[in-house]
Amino acid sequence: GQQLNQSPQSMFIQEGEDVSMNCTSSSIFNTWLWYKQEPGEGPVLLIALYKAGELTSNGRLTAQFGITRKDSFLNISASIPSDVGIYFCAGQNYGGSQGNLIFGKGTKLSVKP
Amino acid sequence: EAGVAQSPRYKIIEKRQSVAFWCNPISGHATLYWYQQILGQGPKLLIQFQNNGVVDDSQLPKDRFSAERLKGVDSTLKIQPAKLEDSAVYLCASSYRTGSIEGQYFGPGTRLTVT
Repeated sequence: GQQLNQSPQSMFIQEGEDVSMNCTSSSIFNTWLWYKQEPGEGPVLLIALYKAGELTSNGRLTAQFGITRKDSFLNISASIPSDVGIYFCAGQNYGGSQGNLIFGKGTKLSVKP
Repeated sequence: EAGVAQSPRYKIIEKRQSVAFWCNPISGHATLYWYQQILGQGPKLLIQFQNNGVVDDSQLPKDRFSAERLKGVDSTLKIQPAKLEDSAVYLCASSYRTGSIEGQYFGPGTRLTVT
């Protein structure tokens, strides 16, 4: 089945630093999404991307939908301690599977104050 | 608005025992999803309901897993008998309609440990 490769697996950064993580796939997706999951909680949607080449921001977060439709990246600027969590990319296609999400394995972000 | 509710939050059972999880979606959401999230992995869809009908259960291990959503609202997921590899967080999500990306809201999950 479809799989997403997400990197890096984990990041340890200093507060105030910028963060970049990415996601690649061997097949194309119509939609890319980025979620954040904190301990003991379900994933929360951060950004959704619907068009190849699209660049979308949500506060300090910026994500892009790759031109090839096989990749996406997420940037976090000026990180703060509450950015700590696991960030997941997810791809979605429409059709027979009714738009089910395929998730990456996540990037665990730790921020040192 | 109230979020997706799940219970119990934690469950520890021995292998070969049975277990059931409950989910109450956001009011008015027609689509309900059950995901399995193994430690260190992203969520994997097990089953998707549209109202009380199954849309996709292709990744549900049907020899031991079952799910129902009898009245199109609450849902239960059952494992019988459990195996060690079933240890995971079971997440429920709901959305207003199928394919509604921005509206797929996740509950806090039930953490299952099989010993």
